Amino acid sequence: EAGVAQSPRYKIIEKRQSVAFWCNPISGHATLYWYQQILGQGPKLLIQFQNNGVVDDSQLPKDRFSAERLKGVDSTLKIQPAKLEDSAVYLCASSLWQNTGELFFGEGSRLTVL
Amino acid sequence: AQSVAQPEDQVNVAEGNPLTVKCTYSVSGNPYLFWYVQYPNRGLQFLLKYITGDNLVKGSYGFEAEFNKSQTSFHLKKPSALVSDSALYFCAVRTQTGANNLFFGTGTRLTVIP
Repeated sequence: EAGVAQSPRYKIIEKRQSVAFWCNPISGHATLYWYQQILGQGPKLLIQFQNNGVVDDSQLPKDRFSAERLKGVDSTLKIQPAKLEDSAVYLCASSLWQNTGELFFGEGSRLTVL
Repeated sequence: AQSVAQPEDQVNVAEGNPLTVKCTYSVSGNPYLFWYVQYPNRGLQFLLKYITGDNLVKGSYGFEAEFNKSQTSFHLKKPSALVSDSALYFCAVRTQTGANNLFFGTGTRLTVIP
């Protein structure tokens, strides 16, 4: 079974530039999550999708971050414009069941904002 | 509001000795509890979970965890540590209400000394 795929693995940009991350979840997983992991901290949820609908985006900085999950499969997370404090690893995860199932994580996309 | 505390940033243990990584939680209602491990430059990997039933949960790679409701704890344990167990360990909680997403602790770095 293929895991959660993310790209790019690494990205370096200047502040105020834009960046986009892509995620392909495990086939059949209805729930998709984007987490932000700043160095030395635990992952923090940015947004959660159930199929192509948003379940929770309360922690998403909506003035600069946006995410979509068209057709309920792949998802894209965009940051525009980027700030220095956005430097982090962006983790995508998917799960089969919303409540009791474990999350399966991709390897992450490491963003460095200079 | 939910929270997860991992009181130790770093745990060192000699190879072959038992190890414990501590976790306490605070949630409304019954918790679903998880442990994940993160190796360098990799995504999080699921180790084990407690949903209901037996308080002692067995997981991957010989790890186990004990759910203690009165102490609101979910400590990760292994009878005999291996050097390959050295990694970053995250405790997480998922509630039965609301969006049911996973809330992570700040992580504990385990180093197993040969």
